Amino acid sequence: EAQVTQNPRYLITVTGKKLTVTCSQNMNHEYMSWYRQDPGLGLRQIYYSMNVEVTDKGDVPEGYKVSRKEKRNFPLILESPSPNQTSLYFCASQGGVNEKLFFGSGTQLSVL
Amino acid sequence: GNSVTQMEGPVTLSEEAFLTINCTYTATGYPSLFWYVQYPGEGLQLLLKATKADDKGSNKGFEATYRKETTSFHLEKGSVQVSDSAVYFCALSGGSYIPTFGRGTSLIVHP
Repeated sequence: EAQVTQNPRYLITVTGKKLTVTCSQNMNHEYMSWYRQDPGLGLRQIYYSMNVEVTDKGDVPEGYKVSRKEKRNFPLILESPSPNQTSLYFCASQGGVNEKLFFGSGTQLSVL
Repeated sequence: GNSVTQMEGPVTLSEEAFLTINCTYTATGYPSLFWYVQYPGEGLQLLLKATKADDKGSNKGFEATYRKETTSFHLEKGSVQVSDSAVYFCALSGGSYIPTFGRGTSLIVHP
């Protein structure tokens, strides 16, 4: 079954404690991306990757890092989380230009 | 740059009512247009898409027609059910890997 798997689903942490949200896809897609979803603001893109070792900033990259060492994995790293990064995060992958996005189930992050 | 504007919600309807969620876009060239649906506690999933002018996308009783003359892609359903309660996102893909999303419209359907 084609899927994008994110972990964990829920995460509560404290300010400044580094964390990683994992994302993996089994469709051999080149394009992957991270979004955050906040009430009233919709989906905002954090980072995206066109292929292995190719990443670029989206609309709201501050405070986040990503890496793409393998095609299937695209982890999101928060080196020093702050309360304003409390949000619902989604990973997505895409098989080609103008093709549909496949989304993970989301990670609800709370930073205290 | 590209942009998508969709009507603000929430939209509240009774079961079996007619649904319209408006979506207009700004883009250069000939983008592909999408509607995604997000059910409570889940990620977004594709509901329907259209790739060229006058195309009609349809799925699960929902329809949307790609109108280039009005730059619109309004979502419609003739008779909504409680199970259609969700957030609906209009989106476009303008020939690159970077899609543009609207802010989402929450639909609440009462029995």
